[in-house]
Amino acid sequence: EVQLVESGGGLVQPGGSLRLSCAASGFTFSSDVMNWVRQAPGKGLEWVSGISVSGGSTYYADSVKGRFTISRDSPENTLYLQMNSLRAEDTAVYYCAKGVGGIYYFDLWGRGTLVTVSS
Amino acid sequence: DIVMTQSPDSLAVSLGERATINCKSSQSVLYRSNNKNYLAWYQQKPGQPPKLLIYWASTRESGVPDRFSGSGSGTDFTLTISSLQAEDVAVYYCQQYYSTLPITFGQGTRLEIK
Repeated sequence: EVQLVESGGGLVQPGGSLRLSCAASGFTFSSDVMNWVRQAPGKGLEWVSGISVSGGSTYYADSVKGRFTISRDSPENTLYLQMNSLRAEDTAVYYCAKGVGGIYYFDLWGRGTLVTVSS
Repeated sequence: DIVMTQSPDSLAVSLGERATINCKSSQSVLYRSNNKNYLAWYQQKPGQPPKLLIYWASTRESGVPDRFSGSGSGTDFTLTISSLQAEDVAVYYCQQYYSTLPITFGQGTRLEIK
């Protein structure tokens, strides 16, 4: 089955860290760009970060630049998001989203993992 | 950044009637070398992840009913549902992928049944 499954979310204090994972299956993970998109409670979609097919190029929203790091492990078919210096405004459901080849529209989404930043 | 602005913010349409959602980008998302508009549309139902409906502004994703259509070019785009069904109640988002620095979504349009 073609799917993306996120994990690693939870409750963390401001200033803390979390590492999200996204396990991919049913498609050739190494052939597509991958992304993280988040949605704060009751709000719209916000693209967070993307990574090229090779992993050699990474892109970040200004809101997370310098705090978050995206990476991919193609042999393990897994996408990661290391989140440091977390803030209350990072509270959201984080979705893993697959691009199409090298193109950044998203034809497959995971169900998301909730990150709550609160003391 | 390319700013995506959708209108209206919410919309109520009777079953079987046409629904039209607009999306305007702050700069052109038409890549002239391949004559493609880097614009996608998504549908998000409550408690679910977004679902891709349309890409390249007018290409319907496999499995999407043909009552959904996309049109427009440059900076002005439209998502049309030709005959609204109950299962189409959702929030709809446009997204530009012309620039990855950053990729941007519209604010969303909530579609309800009148």
